[in-house]
Amino acid sequence: RKEVEQDPGPFNVPEGATVAFNCTYSNSASQSFFWYRQDCRKEPKLLMSVYSSGNEDGRFTAQLNRASQYISLLIRDSKLSDSATYLCVVTPSGGYQKVTFGTGTKLQVIP
Amino acid sequence: NAGVMQNPRHLVRRRGQEARLRCSPMKGHSHVYWYRQLPEEGLKFMVYLQKENIIDESGMPKERFSAEFPKEGPSILRIQQVVRGDSAAYFCASSLVDGSYEQYFGPGTRLTVT
Repeated sequence: RKEVEQDPGPFNVPEGATVAFNCTYSNSASQSFFWYRQDCRKEPKLLMSVYSSGNEDGRFTAQLNRASQYISLLIRDSKLSDSATYLCVVTPSGGYQKVTFGTGTKLQVIP
Repeated sequence: NAGVMQNPRHLVRRRGQEARLRCSPMKGHSHVYWYRQLPEEGLKFMVYLQKENIIDESGMPKERFSAEFPKEGPSILRIQQVVRGDSAAYFCASSLVDGSYEQYFGPGTRLTVT
């Protein structure tokens, strides 16, 4: 089983729609979780951290489910500018900061 | 506060040549990570360095690839005797000393081997 798994998509959604992605991880001792966004041929950019209590930033909501070992990202009122690949990132507990990136979920928002 | 800087942004090398990729972390960051991204694929961890130390190089090929992060100056990823399969985008990221796990990425170096 991969350490971090994401549905590659693409998710094609109309403007204004709500879309959600999940990301599963295999190491139950994982400590920290993040969502990054990567535009075509650009560097990944930190979108938001995922806290145990959940995290909301405007139209974006991230949730963590430790029991089922997945994190989710919900985007409300999708904009054309949300079109990108969304990367799930998981870091181990303790020790150094090696992180594992998922392969990403591609989102295409259609006019 | 300047972000992570990488240079060159684009690098073309013939097979058999050496490629040197440089990365300057964000100010105050002493943890550097190198990733490789092949076309249409995800980011693959290569190596994690702190100043003057390689902490984890488990993702780096054993041959032809090396990395360093000297006390002064940028981190360097070096690829000797490049082959076509080395063509990829190489991203560097940095994070804070204090254990923050948030990584900030540079714009990447796109290596093309002809």
